[in-house]
Amino acid sequence: GAGVSQTPSNKVTEKGKYVELRCDPISGHTALYWYRQSLGQGPEFLIYFQGTGAADDSGLPNDRFFAVRPEGSVSTLKIQRTERGDSAVYLCASSLIAGGAGTGELFFGEGSRLTVL
Amino acid sequence: KQEVTQIPAALSVPEGENLVLNCSFTDSAIYNLQWFRQDPGKGLTSLLLIQSSQREQTSGRLNASLDKSSGRSTLYIAASQPGDSATYLCASSPGGGGNKLTFGTGTQLKVEL
Repeated sequence: GAGVSQTPSNKVTEKGKYVELRCDPISGHTALYWYRQSLGQGPEFLIYFQGTGAADDSGLPNDRFFAVRPEGSVSTLKIQRTERGDSAVYLCASSLIAGGAGTGELFFGEGSRLTVL
Repeated sequence: KQEVTQIPAALSVPEGENLVLNCSFTDSAIYNLQWFRQDPGKGLTSLLLIQSSQREQTSGRLNASLDKSSGRSTLYIAASQPGDSATYLCASSPGGGGNKLTFGTGTQLKVEL
């Protein structure tokens, strides 16, 4: 597709369950970012991939959160033992270049809204 | 730790009015300052990006300025239209570059007919 695609658009789960959120970036974009946006707040950085590797995961709140990008394209954000406080919109973004002098324009997906009951 | 603040939190104006949205940041060692638009239930759309060495950027009816020394940026919207109604977010990029952005909480704009 032409833009960043995220699935599912909505996910309702029960406390303690495992959740996977998928992001398909714009073709050719080497940098991929995950952000989390709570109601009425701006997005908060979670993790950034350059290619297949996580270049910066300092925003992941705890070890229940994990993300992968095995082939340098699609990324999956994984949340174990979900808690009610994990409820938020999880946004994925990609850019053509990243870091240093080549900070590229960010393109965001429409997000995955996670509700933990 | 960088903190980004946006004032006002919400704004309602009649169509045709010129308006200014404000953004302030505590750490002036930024790489760039970006403005985004977010429609309800949607992702973010990049509007303007100002490099730390620049003072302003313009796109159509939008003009964004940056004053690093005072930690401020403004987004000026000329001749506002109902289609401009959305939440506007500013975000700073850290001094080393990259898109590990720190966002403000946004200004929710409503332009009325």
